[in-house]
Amino acid sequence: DTGVSQDPRHKITKRGQNVTFRCDPISEHNRLYWYRQTLGQGPEFLTYFQNEAQLEKSRLLSDRFSAERPKGSFSTLEIQRTEQGDSAMYLCASSLSAGENTEAFFGQGTRLTVV
Amino acid sequence: DAKTTQPNSMESNEEEPVHLPCNHSTISGTDYIHWYRQLPSQGPEYVIHGLTSNVNNRMASLAIAEDRKSSTLILHRATLRDAAVYYCILRGGNKLVFGAGTILRVKS
Repeated sequence: DTGVSQDPRHKITKRGQNVTFRCDPISEHNRLYWYRQTLGQGPEFLTYFQNEAQLEKSRLLSDRFSAERPKGSFSTLEIQRTEQGDSAMYLCASSLSAGENTEAFFGQGTRLTVV
Repeated sequence: DAKTTQPNSMESNEEEPVHLPCNHSTISGTDYIHWYRQLPSQGPEYVIHGLTSNVNNRMASLAIAEDRKSSTLILHRATLRDAAVYYCILRGGNKLVFGAGTILRVKS
């Protein structure tokens, strides 16, 4: 297992278009997280899944954003009608369990540029 | 989520120890102290975590104050590859909540 994988690494899209990102977590990790990071800031939490169930969504996740994890393995994050303010790095992370005593493993992220 | 305070940036010389401070005066009894770092153009990477006792691993040491209101990440011999943003995070729930972190610059 090579770690958390995200695809694509870079995406340039025109304002108003829809985009979808994919995250493949480490095998058997039941927790999967999505974060967004803008330049000079720390990552901001968007949402997380326990297996296929989406258990928490940040207020940052507007109606244009939707995330799925249909079989409890890979996850997708879709942004509809993209805006320039959506330009950011989107990070995915996974972990073995929900406890405070566990570490999360992050992917390298998908950098979105909306023009 | 309890808040942490870190210096915006620090500078170190290569091969010297680095002490990265973090204040967390509102920490609760069940919050774990986690440290992650983020190298340029990479996702965050786990460094170390602890609850009450000092912790050591191959990457770093974590010194936790007796009252748990502050902690220090110690890199024993900084290398150029340690230049990164270091995040101190209190984890008491289901997610990691990042602040702005400390930018560590390492001079050769």
